[in-house]
Order: sequence, then C-alpha cells, then structure tokens
Amino acid sequence: AQSVTQLDSHVSVSEGTPVLLRCNYSSSYSPSLFWYVQHPNKGLQLLLKYTSAATLVKGINGFEAEFKKSETSFHLTKPSAHMSDAAEYFCVVSEDTGRRALTFGSGTRLQVQP
Amino acid sequence: DAGITQSPRYKITETGRQVTLMCHQTWSHSYMFWYRQDLGHGLRLIYYSAAADITDKGEVPDGYVVSRSKTENFPLTLESATRSQTSVYFCASSLGGGSGDTQYFGPGTRLTVL
Repeated sequence: AQSVTQLDSHVSVSEGTPVLLRCNYSSSYSPSLFWYVQHPNKGLQLLLKYTSAATLVKGINGFEAEFKKSETSFHLTKPSAHMSDAAEYFCVVSEDTGRRALTFGSGTRLQVQP
Repeated sequence: DAGITQSPRYKITETGRQVTLMCHQTWSHSYMFWYRQDLGHGLRLIYYSAAADITDKGEVPDGYVVSRSKTENFPLTLESATRSQTSVYFCASSLGGGSGDTQYFGPGTRLTVL
C-alpha cells in the first residue's frame, strides 16, 4: 500500500528566502512521485514529477525536488520565494500496481510574507 | 485550447436530490478520474474510467454513479445527495494509466448539500 505524509501543514517564509516543503512516502513498489500546487479557488497544477529517471527533478517556477530512496523522502525546494508562490502544495505518490489512483498528502499551505 | 472543464463551478442542493456534475476534456485522453477534496483528507478518488464504457471504483465510491458513453465526457451523479457529500469535486484526465502518467485537473465544482 502507498501513503504520503506531508510533515508541515503550514509553512511561512519571507519573500526572497528559501522554501522547503517536506514529504515522506511509503510504497511497496517503485513509485512515481509528484508535487501539485493549488492556488485559492483554482484547480491543481503539476509542478514536477519523478518517474525513476534523475533523482533531482526540476519543475516550473524555479521549484525542484530530490528523490531520496534511503530516506523515503521527496522534499520540494525553491531558492527564493515569491509572493505568487503562496498556495497549497500537495505531494502525491502513484504505484504501477493496476490501481489507477494517486494518493495525496494532506497538503502544506505556504505563506509568503512581504 | 480548452483542456479540461467542469460544470457547474458552484452548486447548492438539498438532501435527497439528484445532482450531476459534468466533466469535459478536449485532449482525447483515455483515462478520466473523479476526486473529492475535504479538509484534512487531501484528495480521494471516487471513480475512474480507462476508456468509454469502462469504469471502476476508487477509494470512496458509495453514493456516486458514473458513466462514460463518450471519451471526452465523464459525468458524476449523486443519486440522493447527503450532507456528507458537501465537498469540492475535481475531475482529472491522463493520456495513459501508468504510475508515471500525469493527471491534469479541472478547476473543480464546489457542492453544498443543505
């Protein structure tokens, strides 16, 4: 069975400072991992995904994430936060087991202070 | 490029009424999905469809009915709405059903059952 734990429900940073959103996963198989972002009253947008190629994955808007199998982690980072980064972020795991389901973490709300 | 659309965006109904939420995608994706988003639960899969006339249950299917007569449409029906079905509903689609296939989400429908 697969599961995802987002370690922080809220993260607050100042504009221009680094962002770190933490995610740990559990999977019986080689998983694919995703980060999605949801701005207020909007749908979910894919930031980046890992599918067993390079362990450091670069996404849109300057975000990146590193897959660490030994730590079962897939943390999302950005060197310098922008006000427009304020949103809800979801870490997602998917296994190739026939169940066509994504398993979502409970989300991390990122606040960016001016 | 319309992508994936949902209608209505907002709906208020009463307990016991039938409600249908519409989802339409223009990419000819094979797979389509319905999720609900509730506080503290992230997104949970209700139903999915691998192709026209092929549907399967997800994590929380009770109280919902789906159909897929055309590739581009995937309506979700609440046959007798209950207050516990108050939620935000997201439709998604993907080209394939593999774990690495990206799911693209619609803007969501906010449903309130009084």
